[in-house]
Amino acid sequence: DTAVSQTPKYLVTQMGNDKSIKCEQNLGHDTMYWYKQDSKKFLKIMFSYNNKELIINETVPNRFSPKSPDKAHLNLHINSLELGDSAVYFCASSQGEGRETQYFGPGTRLLVL
Amino acid sequence: GDSVTQMEGPVTLSEEAFLTINCTYTATGYPSLFWYVQYPGEGLQLLLKATKADDKGSNKGFEATYRKETTSFHLEKGSVQVSDSAVYFCALSDTGRRALTFGSGTRLQVQP
Repeated sequence: DTAVSQTPKYLVTQMGNDKSIKCEQNLGHDTMYWYKQDSKKFLKIMFSYNNKELIINETVPNRFSPKSPDKAHLNLHINSLELGDSAVYFCASSQGEGRETQYFGPGTRLLVL
Repeated sequence: GDSVTQMEGPVTLSEEAFLTINCTYTATGYPSLFWYVQYPGEGLQLLLKATKADDKGSNKGFEATYRKETTSFHLEKGSVQVSDSAVYFCALSDTGRRALTFGSGTRLQVQP
């Protein structure tokens, strides 16, 4: 039973393409997140959703658009991919406000050629 | 804003050596503190956490104590194994902010 799952695990694509990454959690949590890990392993929050409502939107290009169809799913769509978008994207979920533990998915390794 | 500072790596140790990875933080509220571990090619796993001052989190022989007076949450293990080789991230989650702030990560390499 995978708590937080992401698909695909690997994504190799050309510059200019549009791609989506899907995330699902079966923990019953009410908050989901997208984080980006760059080539130096640095992790930074991109978006956070609580009960399908966007609550954190960091300084991320408009080409990135999250969508939460329900509490258990948070997808990330990226338009017009650029070389600099190559990174590992992690989905996470938690229950409650602020200080609760977040549980991470296995990551999606995106390579833009 | 919130921030987390970790010691730079890589940290290279021999098996059975004592490990310390330093972590200090700044926060506007009263955060929870976490250590996550990332094994090669894998995602992030929660290693341990502490939610209030003087709490000690522990797991798999690793320990860290929430020190409010020194704003620190140093990770320690008495005897490391080759299987502990990974990247370790210190992180905080502040009151009312639904996101983790991570340190830059410390790579640990344990040699047989």
